[in-house]
Amino acid sequence: NAGVTQTPKFQVLKTGQSMTLQCAQDMNHEYMSWYRQDPGMGLRLIHYSVGAGITDQGEVPNGYNVSRSTTEDFPLRLLSAAPSQTSVYFCASSYSLPGTGNTIYFGEGSWLTVV
Amino acid sequence: GESVGLHLPTLSVQEGDNSIINCAYSNSASDYFIWYKQESGKGPQFIIDIRSNMDKRQGQRVTVLLNKTVKHLSLQIAATQPGDSAVYFCAENSGSYNTDKLIFGTGTRLQVFP
Repeated sequence: NAGVTQTPKFQVLKTGQSMTLQCAQDMNHEYMSWYRQDPGMGLRLIHYSVGAGITDQGEVPNGYNVSRSTTEDFPLRLLSAAPSQTSVYFCASSYSLPGTGNTIYFGEGSWLTVV
Repeated sequence: GESVGLHLPTLSVQEGDNSIINCAYSNSASDYFIWYKQESGKGPQFIIDIRSNMDKRQGQRVTVLLNKTVKHLSLQIAATQPGDSAVYFCAENSGSYNTDKLIFGTGTRLQVFP
C-alpha cells in the first residue's frame, strides 16, 4: 500500500515556466487536497476535491490549477511560475471530509524552487 | 478572522520528561481538532484528534486536552523520546459549517536532548 505518492520530490523552475506536480493515492479516498508550507507558517490549502470531477479553491488558489479526472489522481499545475511560489507542496487525501473525523494522509512533499 | 496559533515556537525537553505543546484557536464554532507530527523532510503525520464534545482524549503516550472556555488545545507527550523530535501542528476544522477545510497552526518544534 503506497498511500499518497507525490512526484517530483525536488524541482527548480525558471520564472514564467509551467509545470505539474503529480499526486496519486491508492486508498480509494474521495477527498484530496493540495497544501503549501512556507517557513514560519502553517500548511495553507491551495485547492481541494471532494470527488472525481469536483474541485474547489482553498485559501491560496491564485496561480494554480487542478483537475480530478479520476479518484486516484489530483495533479496541481503551476501556470506561470513565480518566485513567490517557492515552497514545499503537500498532497493529502482522506476517505471523506477531513473536518468530520476522517484521518488525512499526507504525501512526502515536493520541494519547488522558482528562480 | 479565524486563526490557529501556538504559544511557543520551540520546546526543548530532556529525554524521559513529559512534553506539553500548546495551541490557541479563535473560532469558537470549530468542533474538531487534530494534532500532527512532522519530521524533517517528511509530510505531516496524524497523531490524535478530539471533538468539541470531549475535553480529553488519550492515545499511546499522548493526551490531547481541549478547553473550550478559553479556546485552548494542548498535546501532552509522556516520557518524551528522541524519536519525538519534530514539529507539531494543531489544526481545526474552521467551524461545522465548513467541514471540508482544515486550518493549521504555525507549528512548534520539539527538541529532545539526552
